[in-house]
Amino acid sequence: NAGVTQTPKFRILKIGQSMTLQCAQDMNHNYMYWYRQDPGMGLKLIYYSVGAGITDKGEVPNGYNVSRSTTEDFPLRLELAAPSQTSVYFCASSPPSGGTNEQFFGPGTRLTVL
Amino acid sequence: LAKTTQPISMDSYEGQEVNITCSHNNIATNDYITWYQQFPSQGPRFIIQGYKTKVTNEVASLFIPADRKSSTLSLPRVSLSDTAVYYCLVGEDSSASKIIFGSGTRLSIRP
Repeated sequence: NAGVTQTPKFRILKIGQSMTLQCAQDMNHNYMYWYRQDPGMGLKLIYYSVGAGITDKGEVPNGYNVSRSTTEDFPLRLELAAPSQTSVYFCASSPPSGGTNEQFFGPGTRLTVL
Repeated sequence: LAKTTQPISMDSYEGQEVNITCSHNNIATNDYITWYQQFPSQGPRFIIQGYKTKVTNEVASLFIPADRKSSTLSLPRVSLSDTAVYYCLVGEDSSASKIIFGSGTRLSIRP
């Protein structure tokens, strides 16, 4: 199993540009998450999904969009990049296992908006 | 919403036992307590999870008192490679939108 994979690893965007951060998992997990982590801070939940076709907002959804057309993929879309979106983005997945929170994280995407 | 409070940082030495305490006064009946470890430039990694009393696995132990308002992660005989940030989370599957990692505890291990 590759686990959770994310592409790209690094990206520099100009203000106003758009991009999609890719996330895929091969563990057949129902739950998937997108987080952002600013320097020296904890992770903040952007969006999450409990299954294909179902997504919901987390703590900081503004400026982002997601879709979940398959169990495996959960892309994150930035429509109009802003400097405030400079951060490291982590994707995670977890199985629904009776009330637990064991999430498996990808390696992250480091995004800089200039 | 169960907010957690942890020390910002801790220092210890190789071979020592390290205990990191997390306070979660508003924990709900269905909430589990989960600890993650994060190394620089990596995603967090699950360490241990529990609901009450004591849980032990190959890397750590988790102690939870009867009132569940706090928990203690215990790392036996730490090494330099245990230097990382440790996060305590409280929640359950149906409240995924309320998952909050907080700022964590930065643990530094010295030779």
